[in-house]
Amino acid sequence: KAGVTQTPRYLIKTRGQQVTLSCSPISGHRSVSWYQQTPGQGLQFLFEYFSETQRNKGNFPGRFSGRQFSNSRSEMNVSTLELGDSALYLCASTNPTGTGTYEQYFGPGTRLTVT
Amino acid sequence: EDQVTQSPEALRLQEGESSSLNCSYTVSGLRGLFWYRQDPGKGPEFLFTLYSAGEEKEKERLKATLTKKESFLHITAPKPEDSATYLCAVLTNTNAGKSTFGDGTTLTVKP
Repeated sequence: KAGVTQTPRYLIKTRGQQVTLSCSPISGHRSVSWYQQTPGQGLQFLFEYFSETQRNKGNFPGRFSGRQFSNSRSEMNVSTLELGDSALYLCASTNPTGTGTYEQYFGPGTRLTVT
Repeated sequence: EDQVTQSPEALRLQEGESSSLNCSYTVSGLRGLFWYRQDPGKGPEFLFTLYSAGEEKEKERLKATLTKKESFLHITAPKPEDSATYLCAVLTNTNAGKSTFGDGTTLTVKP
């Protein structure tokens, strides 16, 4: 069974630019979450989508946005990049089963560097 | 607000020296507590989900337990390849889809 895939794996952007990251969840998983990981702040929740609807959003500015497509693939966009946006962006795929159990699997991440 | 605290921040063990990592949490309505292993530059690797106090799960040299306030990850006779950062996260009934993470414990196992 293929795992969570994220593209691109590495990205270098300049301040003020915008960027789009992509995530393909495990087949059959309908929930996709995004996290930002930095050495100082750890893993911070960005947002979560389930069946194309954003169910939850973290405390990030409006420059961070996302969406989910009908095939469960998700994208996140960061506009007007700032130096502080440099981080590892992680996507997680979750499939709550009918019994209410949860297993959350992460992709390898996209390493974004803003110069 | 949901809070997760992991201790210690770092742990150095000799190969074969068993120990435990702690994850304390304060949430309203725990849906599940996750444990992950993360190697440098990689995404977290799912290990376990625990759901209720008293539950235990095992995988190779790892055993996770859960109480109403904390979870422990016991590592029995660790090997150098167990060196990694171990992360704990909680999912609650009131915050759909959002996992709150602790800062992790970085484990180093010396041969």
